[in-house]
Amino acid sequence: DTEVTQTPKHLVMGMTNKKSLKCEQHMGHRAMYWYKQKAKKPPELMFVYSYEKLSINESVPSRFSPECPNSSLLNLHLHALQPEDSALYLCASSQTTGSGANVLTFGAGSRLTVL
Amino acid sequence: GQQVMQIPQYQHVQEGEDFTTYCNSSTTLSNIQWYKQRPGGHPVFLIQLVKSGEVKKQKRLTFQFGEAKKNSSLHITATQTTDVGTYFCAGWLNTGFQKLVFGTGTRLLVSP
Repeated sequence: DTEVTQTPKHLVMGMTNKKSLKCEQHMGHRAMYWYKQKAKKPPELMFVYSYEKLSINESVPSRFSPECPNSSLLNLHLHALQPEDSALYLCASSQTTGSGANVLTFGAGSRLTVL
Repeated sequence: GQQVMQIPQYQHVQEGEDFTTYCNSSTTLSNIQWYKQRPGGHPVFLIQLVKSGEVKKQKRLTFQFGEAKKNSSLHITATQTTDVGTYFCAGWLNTGFQKLVFGTGTRLLVSP
C-alpha cells in the first residue's frame, strides 16, 4: 500500500464551526506532514510529526491544532477559521524526516472553504 | 521570504516544443527533489538529485543539479499534452530542524 488517504476531499465550514481533517498512511512511514496550498502557489509547510511527536510548527495560528494519535494517523483540528484560511490542505508522509533519501508521498488533499 | 525560486512562473508551448524550468536556492542544498502537480491534483515525486553536477534522465525529462548545489534544472524534450502541470523543485533546508521547502513552481501548458 503506497497511498496517503485524506478525508474529507471537500469541506465547507463557517467561521464558528469546529471540524477536523484526517490523514492515514500504511507505508510504515514515521514522519507525517501538513502543508497548506493556495491557488497557483507552492505548498507551504505547517507542521511536521516525527515518530508521533511534533517536531516543527511553522508559527501556525492556534486555530489549527494538529494531532498524531499513532504512527499511521494524522489529524488537523480546525476551529474559528477565517475566510483567508480557505485552501488545499495536503498531508504527506516520508520514511523519516531530514535530507537523507526522504521523499514525500502526498495525499490527494482536502479542499477547505471557509465562509 | 521564499528561499527557492523558479523561473519562468508560467510557460505555454506547442506540443513537440522543448521546455526548461530553472530552480535557484539562496543556500546550498544537500539534495534537490522535483515534483509534478497536475491541475486539480497533488504533488507527485519525480526524482531526487544528490551529487554536485549530477544529471539524470527519465525518458524525455532531463534533470541537472548544479556544481555548487544551489541550482537545478528540468528539461523536457518534445513536450506532450500529458506534460501539463506545475513542476516544483524542493530542497531540504536546515534551520534547526530539517524541512522540505518547495520552489515557487513553473506552470506548463501544452497546446496540441
